[in-house]
Amino acid sequence: TQLLEQSPQFLSIQEGENLTVYCNSSSVFSSLQWYRQEPGEGPVLLVTVVTGGEVKKLKRLTFQFGDARKDSSLHITAAQPGDTGLYLCAGHHGSSNTGKLIFGQGTTLQVKP
Amino acid sequence: SQTIHQWPATLVQPVGSPLSLECTVEGTSNPNLYWYRQAAGRGLQLLFYSVGIGQISSEVPQNLSASRPQDRQFILSSKKLLLSDSGFYLCAWNLLAGGTQYFGPGTRLLVL
Repeated sequence: TQLLEQSPQFLSIQEGENLTVYCNSSSVFSSLQWYRQEPGEGPVLLVTVVTGGEVKKLKRLTFQFGDARKDSSLHITAAQPGDTGLYLCAGHHGSSNTGKLIFGQGTTLQVKP
Repeated sequence: SQTIHQWPATLVQPVGSPLSLECTVEGTSNPNLYWYRQAAGRGLQLLFYSVGIGQISSEVPQNLSASRPQDRQFILSSKKLLLSDSGFYLCAWNLLAGGTQYFGPGTRLLVL
């Protein structure tokens, strides 16, 4: 079974703190996506990483794809209350022609003002 | 641009009643379509996916079924709902060449 393990599952921090969310697997992925979801809404894509070792930045968010393309991390600098939400990683296997994604279990982030 | 619609947004149904949730995509052709269920604050469980009209693959055995009567329409159904069918149901689409999926707004189902 191909799994993506996310950690931590829940994170509660104060505004201004930094945090890192991890997404790990024993499988190699051709690409990996990070989504953010707010309560009662569908997930929204933040970024896609496709190259081993790739680093992408989105304002205060930094995404990294592991060299072996088995893991990824999301780092948020100076978190703000607006960052609160559920963060999901999802991986795609290049051998799949169905476009199916394997989703992690999610990290719930709460940023207190 | 592409958009994806789901309805209804919220549904409260008694145990044993039938279910029909609808998902439609606009602005693209031949999308892959997906139905997911999500428990509160958790990840997404893939229920069904479809790569074309009339082509349905089931990921987990369950009380639900799916149909794709048209290219951009995906329907999730049940003949008799169970309490355990309660949850947040999400429809998504993508194209064959890429992995990124685009999600609908979801339907919250409560079975009482």
